[in-house]
Amino acid sequence: DAGITQSPRHKVTETGTPVTLRCHQTENHRYMYWYRQDPGHGLRLIHYSYGVKDTDKGEVSDGYSVSRSKTEDFLLTLESATSSQTSVYFCAISEVAGNNYEQYFGPGTRLTVT
Amino acid sequence: RKEVEQDPGPFNVPEGATVAFNCTYSNSASQSFFWYRQDCRKEPKLLMSVYSSGNEDGRFTAQLNRASQYISLLIRDSKLSDSATYLCVVNPVVDTGRRALTFGSGTRLQVQP
Repeated sequence: DAGITQSPRHKVTETGTPVTLRCHQTENHRYMYWYRQDPGHGLRLIHYSYGVKDTDKGEVSDGYSVSRSKTEDFLLTLESATSSQTSVYFCAISEVAGNNYEQYFGPGTRLTVT
Repeated sequence: RKEVEQDPGPFNVPEGATVAFNCTYSNSASQSFFWYRQDCRKEPKLLMSVYSSGNEDGRFTAQLNRASQYISLLIRDSKLSDSATYLCVVNPVVDTGRRALTFGSGTRLQVQP
């Protein structure tokens, strides 16, 4: 158990509204990630963080922003939600095991944009 | 071409069967390889890392062929509880700072009684 929680676990929102998803970890991991998972696409990286206030874009970052003001919290914000952002969002942390960078995931947030 | 490609399945097998999943990756510089398991409506969970020499964990065996850019997962003596989607995962570049992983879309396994 990597001690990762996500909130909310489910959310329905309307097009055009801002939405913030929270990822919280208890084990002081430096690296944190936000992915989205859609049928036929697998998991795709939205943004990641390599430390407090240090973030960078992933492959599908348009329409999303992130913030990390504390080691334990990584927030994902949809500035103005669109129906194409209906998805399952997973947060992950990274641990180093030998030369491998293993990632461990939170339980996910199911977001529906109507 | 996708960076990581998997047969989506589903693979329907009887209990006790041996089943193999394959995965190809496009970036020859890839350094780390993993298999994750994902149950329906749950998060992906690390099943095993894949090492160059191949590795085994109980009924599960993973193989890596760098020359062919090919990874495999073998499950022996399938159990009903093995029913899940298996994700092939690659870390494409060493020490970029991102430590990002690239995920295949997954292969679904259904073990039947």
